[in-house]
Amino acid sequence: DGGITQSPKYLFRKEGQNVTLSCEQNLNHDAMYWYRQDPGQGLRLIYYSQIVNDFQKGDIAEGYSVSREKKESFPLTVTSAQKNPTAFYLCASSTPRTSGGTLWTDTQYFGPGTRLTVL
Amino acid sequence: KNQVEQSPQSLIILEGKNCTLQCNYTVSPFSNLRWYKQDTGRGPVSLTIMTFSENTKSNGRYTATLDADTKQSSLHITASQLSDSASYICVVSGEGNEKLTFGTGTRLTIIP
Repeated sequence: DGGITQSPKYLFRKEGQNVTLSCEQNLNHDAMYWYRQDPGQGLRLIYYSQIVNDFQKGDIAEGYSVSREKKESFPLTVTSAQKNPTAFYLCASSTPRTSGGTLWTDTQYFGPGTRLTVL
Repeated sequence: KNQVEQSPQSLIILEGKNCTLQCNYTVSPFSNLRWYKQDTGRGPVSLTIMTFSENTKSNGRYTATLDADTKQSSLHITASQLSDSASYICVVSGEGNEKLTFGTGTRLTIIP
């Protein structure tokens, strides 16, 4: 089956610990994204990567880190520097494409999410 | 600042009834607008995508409209079903921009 997967579904962390959330896709998409979703707020972009070995900070990158060593994988580490990490984390992927001379992002496909709770 | 506002925040309707969700945006320059459906505890799933030249697009019982002049979009759901209970999120992309602006969503509940 083609798709995007995240693991684990639920994750509990003690204060001061780093944790890593997994995101894998077999859609052959170049671009991958990490979002954070909090109640009553729109999704907020943490990091994104348009190509292997390259990534950019999103709007709320502080306290997070990523790597993109393979096209299929884009793990997110929530570090102890993130003061309020309890949230629902969503990974997405897409293929950028050009239409009419304009580069724009194709539909983003989302994974099932990881709910992180700090104890 | 790019913003996407959705209304109502929540909506409860009887099974079989129709409903319309609204989305206003200030993203400029505009590239495209998407509606996503998100079930509780799951990732969003794309329903429709429209560029500035499209003013209506359907996907089964879902029909999205776009007025690029007034920067408004709506999502109309016909003959609602219990499985339509979810959050509906409006997402706008600026031209040549990888980053998207997300609305906070409308929480729709269908009751039997």
